[in-house]
Amino acid sequence: DVKVTQSSRYLVKRTGEKVFLECVQDMDHENMFWYRQDPGLGLRLIYFSYDVKMKEKGDIPEGYSVSREKKERFSLILESASTNQTSMYLCASTPQTGGPYEQYFGPGTRLTVT
Amino acid sequence: AQSVAQPEDQVNVAEGNPLTVKCTYSVSGNPYLFWYVQYPNRGLQFLLKYITGDNLVKGSYGFEAEFNKSQTSFHLKKPSALVSDSALYFCAVRDRDNFNKFYFGSGTKLNVKP
Repeated sequence: DVKVTQSSRYLVKRTGEKVFLECVQDMDHENMFWYRQDPGLGLRLIYFSYDVKMKEKGDIPEGYSVSREKKERFSLILESASTNQTSMYLCASTPQTGGPYEQYFGPGTRLTVT
Repeated sequence: AQSVAQPEDQVNVAEGNPLTVKCTYSVSGNPYLFWYVQYPNRGLQFLLKYITGDNLVKGSYGFEAEFNKSQTSFHLKKPSALVSDSALYFCAVRDRDNFNKFYFGSGTKLNVKP
């Protein structure tokens, strides 16, 4: 089974801190995604990556950056955390570009910025 | 604009009764369609998907979904609900032409009462 893991389940940070969220998948998937989930808004795409060192902005990239130095790892960085970034963050992966592949999700990181 | 709608924020059903969770979409072409389930403080789990062919798709945990091209709908169904089915359900659509684009509905909370 594909496994997608996220470094923390719960995280509390202060306003202005730099925050790193890590995601690792163990099935050699090409594509990786970062979403944030807020009640009533569903999932909104922040960034995705289709290859090592390749990334594309999603719908809400402001205030975030990403890094993919190795195929299995995709990091989300909050450059200067703000209270409006308090949310559930979900990482996902799919096997390859194109095709009817579903996404495999990690357990999520619930981030609180105070 | 591409979009996925889940018109009901919440669905309440008694255990043993049939359930339906509705989804309609507005995505060009012939997209791939998915349903996911999310239990509290967890990531999303894949339930089923429609690629092509038979309009009735069977998935995990006894769930099935009916694709209707003319109504651009993909409703999730189960003949007999269980209390353990209580969770948050998301419909998602993957654009075949822009294959890294997944569009998610806002989610429907299913409550199954004993």
